[in-house]
Amino acid sequence: DQQVKQNSPSLSVQEGRISILNCDYTNSMFDYFLWYKKYPAEGPTFLISISSIKDKNEDGRFTVFLNKSAKHLSLHIVPSQPGDSAVYFCAASAGTGTASKLTFGTGTRLQVTL
Amino acid sequence: EPEVTQTPSHQVTQMGQEVILRCVPISNHLYFYWYRQILGQKVEFLVSFYNNEISEKSEIFDDQFSVERPDGSNFTLKIRSTKLEDSAMYFCATKPSGHNNQPQHFGDGTRLSIL
Repeated sequence: DQQVKQNSPSLSVQEGRISILNCDYTNSMFDYFLWYKKYPAEGPTFLISISSIKDKNEDGRFTVFLNKSAKHLSLHIVPSQPGDSAVYFCAASAGTGTASKLTFGTGTRLQVTL
Repeated sequence: EPEVTQTPSHQVTQMGQEVILRCVPISNHLYFYWYRQILGQKVEFLVSFYNNEISEKSEIFDDQFSVERPDGSNFTLKIRSTKLEDSAMYFCATKPSGHNNQPQHFGDGTRLSIL
């Protein structure tokens, strides 16, 4: 079941540059998309989300873009900082109520180098 | 900032034994979830819980699994007779209401090791 896919298992970016993490989905019922950040030995930490009625959401250094026709979303981090080094998970849900379980991608490990 | 708290952080159990994993949700959150992540694999949904009953469960959540909120605060996941393949990180997540446009907040997980 590959409803949410992150095709890049890892990404290395220099400090100060832009990090772009990508995610594709196949289920057209998904209407809410989230990015979580995960450090080792910790749980996923919510970073930013976007509803399917929007195509962009920005929060400080983090911006999420949604292209519904391509079933693609991306997370931009500008400027990247060493503390951003973590595994980033894309997740999606559909509908309201507790039916809104999250379906996760496999994650992308971001390494921000000095 | 309020947190979801999970205990224990690590549980080592013999195959066939029962385990109970505990979660204290964020106060005033009403919707609860369990997920698991087998080493090297993606985070997978197990079960969702609202108003003291299961709302949805995945194929993974078979008769060996159960959830309850025994005292109105803790939210527990019980595995009745553990198998080797139950070894994984188990994450509890909660959110305040049923509105879809709200993120779920995760605890730091319990690492379950079945010997």
